[in-house]
Amino acid sequence: EILLTQSPGTLSLSPGERATLSCRASQNFSSRYLAWYQQKPGQAPRLLIYGASSRANGIPDRFSGSGSGPDFTLTISRLEPEDLAVYYCQQYGHSPQITFGPGTRLEIK
Amino acid sequence: EVQLVESGGGLVQPGGSLTLSCTASGFTFGNYWIHWVRQAPGKGLVWVSRINNDGSDTVYADFVKGRFTVSRDNSKNTLYLQMNSLRVEDTALYYCARGGDRSFDLWGQGTPATVSP
Repeated sequence: EILLTQSPGTLSLSPGERATLSCRASQNFSSRYLAWYQQKPGQAPRLLIYGASSRANGIPDRFSGSGSGPDFTLTISRLEPEDLAVYYCQQYGHSPQITFGPGTRLEIK
Repeated sequence: EVQLVESGGGLVQPGGSLTLSCTASGFTFGNYWIHWVRQAPGKGLVWVSRINNDGSDTVYADFVKGRFTVSRDNSKNTLYLQMNSLRVEDTALYYCARGGDRSFDLWGQGTPATVSP
């Protein structure tokens, strides 16, 4: 089973700043199978990024993904108050088990 | 509207059973793999199970194997999760999610299952 770790656990930034979220896998896998999700308080998760760097439909270009196994990054440029959420990475490729990282909580000052 | 709607959650005693449903609308349900993901109160996302588009192949996380069964009825656009021998640690919000291009591209709002004496 591929384990994912995310850092930092909590990130506190001001509007307009840049957020860099990290996801590290316990073993290499293809970047094709790395996704990022946003979960706002009281809501279901929403797909942000798939294939490590492709934005899902309707996702603003402030959100970008990069990296290759085992290290991946989600970057949010120009933070807005609405970006308050927990962000999860997910690996989908080490079939059949799918795993999520523990999440990074993003706080907006 | 393209959506998934879960139902069937509730309160059950340890050792009991519960059947969750996930009803799809706005897209061709039978073309997609569907997953169950759960989230314990205040915790992160945990993948539980998936079923392929015609129901012929299912996979489970080790912690539910032998206790949970996923199935689907494409004529009713509905997915099911039969949960038996429930434990207190199965308490969670259960989401169904559509398997898209190497990711989960559509999520329901979740249905809560509480296992308590």
